[in-house]
Amino acid sequence: QSVLTQPPSASGTPGQRVTISCSGSSSNIGTNTVNWYQQLPGTAPKLLIYSNNQRPSGVPDRFSGSKSGTSASLAISGLQSEDEADYYCAAWDDSLNGWVFGGGTKLTVL
Amino acid sequence: EVQLVESGGGLVQPGGSLRLSCAASGFTFSSYWMHWVRQAPGKGLVWVSRINSDGSSTSYADSVKGRFTISRDNAKNTLYLQMNSLRAEDTAVYYCARANSGWTDWGQGTLVTVSS
Repeated sequence: QSVLTQPPSASGTPGQRVTISCSGSSSNIGTNTVNWYQQLPGTAPKLLIYSNNQRPSGVPDRFSGSKSGTSASLAISGLQSEDEADYYCAAWDDSLNGWVFGGGTKLTVL
Repeated sequence: EVQLVESGGGLVQPGGSLRLSCAASGFTFSSYWMHWVRQAPGKGLVWVSRINSDGSSTSYADSVKGRFTISRDNAKNTLYLQMNSLRAEDTAVYYCARANSGWTDWGQGTLVTVSS
């Protein structure tokens, strides 16, 4: 049972826009920023979004993040086949005094 | 180019110990906080521990507190994770990661299998 809640799966067709949600509480997302990670099959995770909505250099602007209250979202526009991966949200939790992740969302490009 | 290379994983019996290492290169290791994150086979990511840049402050997930110890040797550009009293549920790929507005750099991971 993960502290942050994500849908286990999402899907879309090439060119579509998909959104992945991440729900938390006042001790994590409600007071701290959210990061998003992409994990392609068999590889290490990669930072996709930090501080709720900032993209590291090299990450396409098709990826965007937002946060409102105790929830956050990752949006992927212009979906491509190479976007098929697992996506994780993460935030610091003040109550647990540690980082917490969502359970991950498996994105399928149909 | 930033590189993080983990080593030290393997098969260990329940109750046993293992020390993981993460060799860093391509950046000023002593300036960055470092983390360990693990992933059980077929499961999601779980944060394990973090250490600040000079090694004076550490934090642990409740699941490993009292059993695991994170440390670093800035002269050797190396991060460590000493794992004691290992349990079957500690079986996972262990990644080290550099903290730089998010975990910007990750190693390839090292597999730890706890089984009799």
